[in-house]
Amino acid sequence: EDKVVQSPLSLVVHEGDTVTLNCSYEVTNFRSLLWYKQEKKAPTFLFMLTSSGIEKKSGRLSSILDKKELFSILNITATQTGDSAVYLCAVESYAGNNRKLIWGLGTSLAVNP
Amino acid sequence: DGGITQSPKYLFRKEGQNVTLSCEQNLNHDAMYWYRQDPGQGLRLIYYSQIVNDFQKGDIAEGYSVSREKKESFPLTVTSAQKNPTAFYLCASSIDRVRNEQFFGPGTRLTVL
Repeated sequence: EDKVVQSPLSLVVHEGDTVTLNCSYEVTNFRSLLWYKQEKKAPTFLFMLTSSGIEKKSGRLSSILDKKELFSILNITATQTGDSAVYLCAVESYAGNNRKLIWGLGTSLAVNP
Repeated sequence: DGGITQSPKYLFRKEGQNVTLSCEQNLNHDAMYWYRQDPGQGLRLIYYSQIVNDFQKGDIAEGYSVSREKKESFPLTVTSAQKNPTAFYLCASSIDRVRNEQFFGPGTRLTVL
């Protein structure tokens, strides 16, 4: 059965800390891995990763994929209170023309001032 | 501004009543999706649509129905057959099912009393 496991489930840090969130997966026919940030309501897209070893970066956030070991990490440096959110990982698998996203449970990050 | 809108934000219904949740997008996306999100569970796919007048069941379609008469609109009806309808419902869209980077609406929180 396809599955996506995120760790830790929750995390509390102080402003300025660096955090690393993990996403491991077991899916058939992997196509891509996506990271989203969810603050109360709609998840907002952060990154899509398809190739191993290529870091995607956006400001203080970065992410990398390891397709051999079947995991991805999301790094946030110099955290701010505005980074407090649930971070969701989803893996896209495909079978012919049918593609679907398998979602992890998320990591709840709280950044305290 | 392009985006996805869902209405209403909060909805209360009595048990046994059908209720329809609205989802509209002006991104010119072909594919649209409905998910439900419950505490302690990942996003679960209810229905998706790849093009107008076509839709497919997701993982938890029982007790739900959809229509896709227009490209911009993908309403979800929660019927009285849905045994546990109280949840947070998220609508999403993507350019198509191949380019599966999904963009989400703000969600509707449905409470059935």
